[in-house]
Amino acid sequence: GIQVEQSPPDLILQEGANSTLRCNFSDSVNNLQWFHQNPWGQLINLFYIPSGTKQNGRLSATTVATERYSLLYISSSQTTDSGVYFCAGQTGANNLFFGTGTRLTVIP
Amino acid sequence: GAGVSQSPSNKVTEKGKDVELRCDPISGHTALYWYRQSLGQGLEFLIYFQGNSAPDKSGLPSDRFSAERTGGSVSTLTIQRTQQEDSAVYLCASSLFFGELFFGEGSRLTVL
Repeated sequence: GIQVEQSPPDLILQEGANSTLRCNFSDSVNNLQWFHQNPWGQLINLFYIPSGTKQNGRLSATTVATERYSLLYISSSQTTDSGVYFCAGQTGANNLFFGTGTRLTVIP
Repeated sequence: GAGVSQSPSNKVTEKGKDVELRCDPISGHTALYWYRQSLGQGLEFLIYFQGNSAPDKSGLPSDRFSAERTGGSVSTLTIQRTQQEDSAVYLCASSLFFGELFFGEGSRLTVL
């Protein structure tokens, strides 16, 4: 399977700060997605973004498929943004491979 | 239902017992995934069903683990002769083919 590398592994932000999370893939992927796992363990789909840029409120994501990476931008962070952010991608009709996650802590 | 439903939400069992975990995916979703997550860790892939194709079982950690999907809908993950290292949250997710993935709330398994 493919390798999915996420950086940074841990991030601590002051409320109101901006951040960029990165996801690198070892091979070309389709079906690239970003997820947020809240402190209670629920995984929520943030973006389905095989290529291009999407925005949803304070969050946006950009995928450069030819360079095999994706970025998640969080602006004006809030304490509710805390949790673990995962990216995942699929090659062909194979299963979806997840990265090891970025643990974000936003402090008031 | 509106989302992916998993049961039981919590299961405590004794070492050596068998357990069954159930996943009811979103209606019409052809793809169904099982993952396992130990405390503070990432998602470990277990098995992937896609339509009528043969499932990808490459992530099952041992022959004590098996899963089936009946009628292209509900899936059951079975763990035989449970061990303490099987303790984890078992997550089920479903999607349309190459679509957004939606997760259930998970089944927390504790093996004493």
